[in-house]
Amino acid sequence: GQNIDQPTEMTATEGAIVQINCTYQTSGFNGLFWYQQHAGEAPTFLSYNVLDGLEEKGRFSSFLSRSKGYSYLLLKELQMKDSASYLCAAYQTGANNLFFGTGTRLTVIP
Amino acid sequence: NAGVTQTPKFRILKIGQSMTLQCTQDMNHNYMYWYRQDPGMGLKLIYYSVGAGITDKGEVPNGYNVSRSTTEDFPLRLELAAPSQTSVYFCASSYASGYNEQFFGPGTRLTVL
Repeated sequence: GQNIDQPTEMTATEGAIVQINCTYQTSGFNGLFWYQQHAGEAPTFLSYNVLDGLEEKGRFSSFLSRSKGYSYLLLKELQMKDSASYLCAAYQTGANNLFFGTGTRLTVIP
Repeated sequence: NAGVTQTPKFRILKIGQSMTLQCTQDMNHNYMYWYRQDPGMGLKLIYYSVGAGITDKGEVPNGYNVSRSTTEDFPLRLELAAPSQTSVYFCASSYASGYNEQFFGPGTRLTVL
């Protein structure tokens, strides 16, 4: 079975750092994706982790711990345009698709 | 490249009507997917295809049908629309299997009354 948990909503201040957590229970787990989705728009790819550790891409970083079934997305120097939903998704070996969490809606305030 | 395109953008159906949601990609991707997204929920996979002529069910296939006659096109058919099918539908494609980035279309917002 598949189970992915992430907080429903978060609020953070412009210029600050925010960490969005995701825990998963996925048989045959083989990778964790993060997607960004602005209201009324399609999801867009942010990051993919298959090995333990931190992957950094500019202001965004993603971390994975396979032994703990845990990932987080770290957003630095928050900007108003970062207000969006952030979707965590797990890839299962042998499957041909991703299993998505319900998403975390982040609101950035001045 | 246009990427993944979907038509229509919006549609209102009456209960019992049928319609086809169109999806086309110009990236020569083998894998294509249909998801639905209900308010405040994540994406649920309806059907997917690993290549022309090959389709398979996802998590929530009931009430839907698909076909894949070409690499580019992956239409989703709704037969006998029901209010429970009110949702936003996203088509996506990827070069290879699930560990590859998926590219999403802009979505179709469907209301069944």
